[in-house]
Amino acid sequence: SQQGEEDPQALSIQEGENATMNCSYKTSINNLQWYRQNSGRGLVHLILIRSNEREKHSGRLRVTLDTSKKSSSLLITASRAADTASYFCATDSGAGSYQLTFGKGTKLSVIP
Amino acid sequence: NAGVMQNPRHLVRRRGQEARLRCSPMKGHSHVYWYRQLPEEGLKFMVYLQKENIIDESGMPKERFSAEFPKEGPSILRIQQVVRGDSAAYFCASFGTVAQANTEAFFGQGTRLTVV
Repeated sequence: SQQGEEDPQALSIQEGENATMNCSYKTSINNLQWYRQNSGRGLVHLILIRSNEREKHSGRLRVTLDTSKKSSSLLITASRAADTASYFCATDSGAGSYQLTFGKGTKLSVIP
Repeated sequence: NAGVMQNPRHLVRRRGQEARLRCSPMKGHSHVYWYRQLPEEGLKFMVYLQKENIIDESGMPKERFSAEFPKEGPSILRIQQVVRGDSAAYFCASFGTVAQANTEAFFGQGTRLTVV
């Protein structure tokens, strides 16, 4: 799998349910970030977790990072229709690299 | 982020024409990335520029694509002799210092290029 690959590719849930998306990556990282993209729009930064952190919360978002498994998960609790969007993880490899490597994203649909 | 302005938002070009995409970074930011997003794909790095300098263009196609970030004015991504495969959304992101490169970059709304 490519660096920063999310699964599932698509997820459909009812409003009020929790949504969990996963991201796997290949190389060691400094940081991992999650972004949201509404259809046809730009990216909105949600949360950043550093390689020495294991869990981070922001409102209804909870991100975990397992560097031994090279994976991260994004949990959205009590989902709302407005959460409908594509969610991407992005990693940077540090060591002088300025690039973020994005996965293909998880398309989340929250049904009212 | 509304602070990074890209224009136009939508651009239609016929095969063989030139496309010029503009990005005005957030106020005070002198570093700019360009990324390309093909349909149903994630973003792919193209180029990283500072004012008047190209720092990393390892993601740029070798031909037809060029980028600049002059001392005055917006950053420009230029695609010459466009082909259908260039149809994509092109995103610009800016940040203030090198230390913020991968932590505090702000993305624009993108330019959606359609080649007909």
